[in-house]
Amino acid sequence: AAGVIQSPRHLIKEKRETATLKCYPIPRHDTVYWYQQGPGQDPQFLISFYEKMQSDKGSIPDRFSAQQFSDYHSELNMSSLELGDSALYFCASSLGSGANEQFFGPGTRLTVL
Amino acid sequence: EDQVTQSPEALRLQEGESSSLNCSYTVSGLRGLFWYRQDPGKGPEFLFTLYSAGEEKEKERLKATLTKKESFLHITAPKPEDSATYLCAVQVPSGGSYIPTFGRGTSLIVHP
Repeated sequence: AAGVIQSPRHLIKEKRETATLKCYPIPRHDTVYWYQQGPGQDPQFLISFYEKMQSDKGSIPDRFSAQQFSDYHSELNMSSLELGDSALYFCASSLGSGANEQFFGPGTRLTVL
Repeated sequence: EDQVTQSPEALRLQEGESSSLNCSYTVSGLRGLFWYRQDPGKGPEFLFTLYSAGEEKEKERLKATLTKKESFLHITAPKPEDSATYLCAVQVPSGGSYIPTFGRGTSLIVHP
């Protein structure tokens, strides 16, 4: 069965640079979630989209923005990168918003030097 | 204040030694409690959703139960391949919407 696809899988950036992470949800899933997970930490919710509209917002820094496109894929744009942004970034998708199980992608490991 | 608390933080078992992991929550109006398994460097893998007190779900050696204040993940006769971090999550109301919130997880190691 098709799973959530994330690209790139690994990304190395310098401080103050920008990065774009992409997420392709499971076919027919209309909701996308973004999470940040630091080493030894639990996933922290950043933002979610339902039917191409932002639905919920968590601890996403103002330097980050995201959107969901007409084909339901989503992109997380990160600017003015800081060392503390180094983490695993996961995308998850679900069918419908609300209390539905989420299916996670393999993650993008971002390293900021 | 943590709204999802998991215990223990770490658990070491011998193969075949059954045990339980705990997830307690303080969210009112629960809109589902979710259990995930996460292997190092990989995305969480969905295991179960529980919606109401008294509900139980099983999958192979795992059984999840839910009360009004907590959920248990029972592992029966675990095998080394069950070694992973087990995460529970709930949706916390925030300003008219709901924020998915994870516990810090229980790191399980099963020795052969």
